[in-house]
Amino acid sequence: EPEVTQTPSHQVTQMGQEVILRCVPISNHLYFYWYRQILGQKVEFLVSFYNNEISEKSEIFDDQFSVERPDGSNFTLKIRSTKLEDSAMYFCASRNSGGRGYEQYFGPGTRLTVT
Amino acid sequence: ILNVEQSPQSLHVQEGDSTNFTCSFPSSNFYALHWYRWETAKSPEALFVMTLNGDEKKKGRISATLNTKEGYSYLYIKGSQPEDSATYLCAFINTDKLIFGTGTRLQVFP
Repeated sequence: EPEVTQTPSHQVTQMGQEVILRCVPISNHLYFYWYRQILGQKVEFLVSFYNNEISEKSEIFDDQFSVERPDGSNFTLKIRSTKLEDSAMYFCASRNSGGRGYEQYFGPGTRLTVT
Repeated sequence: ILNVEQSPQSLHVQEGDSTNFTCSFPSSNFYALHWYRWETAKSPEALFVMTLNGDEKKKGRISATLNTKEGYSYLYIKGSQPEDSATYLCAFINTDKLIFGTGTRLQVFP
């Protein structure tokens, strides 16, 4: 069964460094998302992406964050200058076309630790 | 501010017990409610996508109901098994994004 994959599973970085989190969505999906969960808190939406542009972004998704679909298969989240409070589990999700009530398929997440 | 609440936060049951959890969500501008099952180190897995008031969905021993007018959904597990141990998340669709509850962490003891 097709699945969303994410690499790396765990990334440790120093404050101020740039990180790129990678996702390979399901191949025929058209809508892509990033969510994150800070330990002990709710899973929260970061950004949605469709037709090579951002559809919606949350207040968290400031100028330090960017997303890209560089080659038609990968979907990346870049954090330019990481802060301690960026430490979280980052999830990528994708869905097929159709109504927005359709199921979003999640990857297993990348645990980002900023020291 | 849209808020989704789940209760209880955690639950410990014996194998064979039946259990249920609650998700409450804004009743206005309802579009869809998702239930996910999330085991540690794995991808959250969709259980149900519920869209209609009065919807009842079932997958094996797990079922869910939806009341959009009062803004709640129940998830039921009949005859819990140790493999049901996971965190169960509900999420409300707003525009095209999911707004999640805190989750209910279920542990089933043999």
